[in-house]
Amino acid sequence: ETGVTQTPRHLVMGMTNKKSLKCEQHLGHNAMYWYKQSAKKPLELMFVYSLEERVENNSVPSRFSPECPNSSHLFLHLHTLQPEDSALYLCASSQEPGHGELFFGEGSRLTVL
Amino acid sequence: AQRVTQPEKLLSVFKGAPVELKCNYSYSGSPELFWYVQYSRQRLQLLLRHISRESIKGFTADLNKGETSFHLKKPFAQEEDSAMYYCALNKAGTALIFGKGTTLSVSS
Repeated sequence: ETGVTQTPRHLVMGMTNKKSLKCEQHLGHNAMYWYKQSAKKPLELMFVYSLEERVENNSVPSRFSPECPNSSHLFLHLHTLQPEDSALYLCASSQEPGHGELFFGEGSRLTVL
Repeated sequence: AQRVTQPEKLLSVFKGAPVELKCNYSYSGSPELFWYVQYSRQRLQLLLRHISRESIKGFTADLNKGETSFHLKKPFAQEEDSAMYYCALNKAGTALIFGKGTTLSVSS
């Protein structure tokens, strides 16, 4: 596997469920990101991690909980979500935070019922 | 506030016609701007950045600080250019802020 891999590709969950999205990068990068892509909205930055340390939390509700156990893996833990949280969640990585060339995964399509 | 505006949701042109995808930004510092592209069934990827001042797949973009614009141009559109194009601004060296995107449709 090369590049940035996200699993699952599709997820349907109820509002009371707890689930997690996983992202793995095989590029040796030091920064990882979560973006949210909704219909009619721009890509919204959610979290930025640099060497497992969170460097930015873009006013994201606490029902989204990121975890970065090492520089190659990034998780987004989901609990008690709302239907408006349904979106495509994109993971990306870059050599360093703020390095403009991001490498994106294919995304995890989340539907909250 | 830092913001990227792409005023056109959809741009339709014929093959061989010139293309200009508009992007305006709001940023108090020295901006670093990018264009990303997403072809059908492919992931989002970098097309070009203003620092490199290069032409990629025939596309160029010039940073105009006076007009706070970074429009993407190509003199002769090809069908394979059909895609979603996003303009992005580097936010204080931490991450990119994206515009809403413009769908470019090139027909023969």
